[in-house]
Amino acid sequence: AQKITQTQPGMFVQEKEAVTLDCTYDTSDPSYGLFWYKQPSSGEMIFLIYQGSYDQQNATEGRYSLNFQKARKSANLVISASQLGDSAMYFCAMGPTQGGSEKLVFGKGTKLTVNP
Amino acid sequence: EAGVAQSPRYKIIEKRQSVAFWCNPISGHATLYWYQQILGQGPKLLIQFQNNGVVDDSQLPKDRFSAERLKGVDSTLKIQPAKLEDSAVYLCASTGTGDYGYTFGSGTRLTVV
Repeated sequence: AQKITQTQPGMFVQEKEAVTLDCTYDTSDPSYGLFWYKQPSSGEMIFLIYQGSYDQQNATEGRYSLNFQKARKSANLVISASQLGDSAMYFCAMGPTQGGSEKLVFGKGTKLTVNP
Repeated sequence: EAGVAQSPRYKIIEKRQSVAFWCNPISGHATLYWYQQILGQGPKLLIQFQNNGVVDDSQLPKDRFSAERLKGVDSTLKIQPAKLEDSAVYLCASTGTGDYGYTFGSGTRLTVV
């Protein structure tokens, strides 16, 4: 069974600073995808970044980067130059690689608060 | 392209009443998912459709929850009768060939009193 663990219920960061949100995972599947989603107070889940288990390079999308350490089974999200609009819940999830349609398994999330 | 549409946005009902939620996925997306997100938790899959067939409904409480996706396009999730513990956000998502992850709708926030 797949499992995602997010150990930080809440995180605080000053505007313009970088922050790392932790995520560890467990699976016996050799091929999998790791995802990060942002959920603002309005409720929608916004896709941020994806990392495939066989990808050699860490994924980056603008201010978001994923620090993928396969041996440690961790997939931490790094947000650089935090903005006030980054305040939200952040969920790490495990699921299929690109093009797959298996379900996503989510962690419990981390609430990020960006202070001015 | 238009996103995943869900309605209603909010719903308050009394326990033992019935309620239905509607979802229209992104055009052309064959796979549709319903997730339940209880306050303070991550979303949990209730049911997955591939076109109009059910792929996974192992976490769906079938004594009270039902879902259908007639014609393989939009979908309805029903709860009858509702319990207090059904209070949650119900998220619909869809995915297409070659996509990374899913596109989620804005969700329906259900409060059972």
